[in-house]
Amino acid sequence: EVQLVESGGGLVKPGGSLRLSCAASGIPVNDYSMNWVRQAPGKGLEWIASISSGSTVIYYADSVKGRFTISRDNARNSLSLQMNSLRVEDTAVYYCAREIAVSRSDYWGQGTLVTVSS
Amino acid sequence: DIQMTQSPSSLSASVGDRVTITCRASQNIITYLHWYQQKPGKAPKLLIYAASNLQTGVPSRFSGSGSGTQFTLTISSLQPEDFATYYCQQSYSPLRTFGQGTRVEVK
Repeated sequence: EVQLVESGGGLVKPGGSLRLSCAASGIPVNDYSMNWVRQAPGKGLEWIASISSGSTVIYYADSVKGRFTISRDNARNSLSLQMNSLRVEDTAVYYCAREIAVSRSDYWGQGTLVTVSS
Repeated sequence: DIQMTQSPSSLSASVGDRVTITCRASQNIITYLHWYQQKPGKAPKLLIYAASNLQTGVPSRFSGSGSGTQFTLTISSLQPEDFATYYCQQSYSPLRTFGQGTRVEVK
């Protein structure tokens, strides 16, 4: 089955850290850029980070720059998001997505919920 | 950052209606514009890419048009499974941005 599966979400206190993972199966991801996109409860989609196939080009949204780090392990067909200094406003469902030609995201994971609360 | 503005924010329609959603970019993005559909509790699904290209497997009642700063998603005859929220996204800038979404509800 073709899928991206996120894991690592949960409840964390403000100022804490969490590491999200995204595992790919049934689809090649090593030759493609990958994105993290999040969605706060009842809100729209927000792109937060992207990484090129060789990890040489990385971009972050201003809302997470300096706090979050995107990385990938092509040998394991996986993507990660290290989240530090978490804030209440980081509460959201976090999705990983593959980006293909003309930078469209064709495959998405099911999402993992991160709740930042004291 | 490139701002994406969708209109309307929500609309009410009936099965069989023709539905049009507009997306405006704050600067020229050529045709680096994609449309996604999202249902409650589910991941977004790619419908249209590069402004007017139908993603494989997506019904032909969905179509997209536009270039530059003005884009349109059209559903020619709304079906029950089409009630959802629709988002546009630009990929001209490496700092990707989404529109705020358009919720299509039952009239």
